[in-house]
Amino acid sequence: DTEVTQTPKHLVMGMTNKKSLKCEQHMGHRAMYWYKQKAKKPPELMFVYSYEKLSINESVPSRFSPECPNSSLLNLHLHALQPEDSALYLCASSQGTGHTDTQYFGPGTRLTVL
Amino acid sequence: GQNIDQPTEMTATEGAIVQINCTYQTSGFNGLFWYQQHAGEAPTFLSYNVLDGLEEKGRFSSFLSRSKGYSYLLLKELQMKDSASYLCAVMDSNYQLIWGAGTKLIIKP
Repeated sequence: DTEVTQTPKHLVMGMTNKKSLKCEQHMGHRAMYWYKQKAKKPPELMFVYSYEKLSINESVPSRFSPECPNSSLLNLHLHALQPEDSALYLCASSQGTGHTDTQYFGPGTRLTVL
Repeated sequence: GQNIDQPTEMTATEGAIVQINCTYQTSGFNGLFWYQQHAGEAPTFLSYNVLDGLEEKGRFSSFLSRSKGYSYLLLKELQMKDSASYLCAVMDSNYQLIWGAGTKLIIKP
């Protein structure tokens, strides 16, 4: 089973709203990732959690706030977003962060900021 | 800097064979991944190469030459459902994936 689930599938929010994206995996993976992907572009890494600790933050604005409540769950809290933040937000997980650790992606959340 | 190059778009015929090339220059190398991504969907893992040579997996094969900084993905017996973007990604010395821009593959009947 290589399933990563994400909710919601689609989200429309205003610039003053607060919302959260959720990601879950039950593969026993110890690394989880948030990516942002704009149309016709490759995924851009935002955050990496390894063993429930934030290990990489790719200079992401503070209006994006990640949280890893336990080894199976990853959240991304959104607040005061801008229209240019509209994108597909992808969660991924991997066994670890080593060179043989393939990342498996969830279906993504399509976010539109009005 | 780090750079991964892939053709932007390719067209092939159903039932034929297509080869998608990827060249890379990265700080360190810990393996190369190929992912398939249908429009509006998440990337799906296809293959991983860390040693030189060919890895075959059904209709898909992936080749790596580390000395040349080169890989290709070979798709045989093309089907309409193979129409998608194919992303090449290299894991660098920090174990982070560096992504190519992707190759959009169009399959015609």
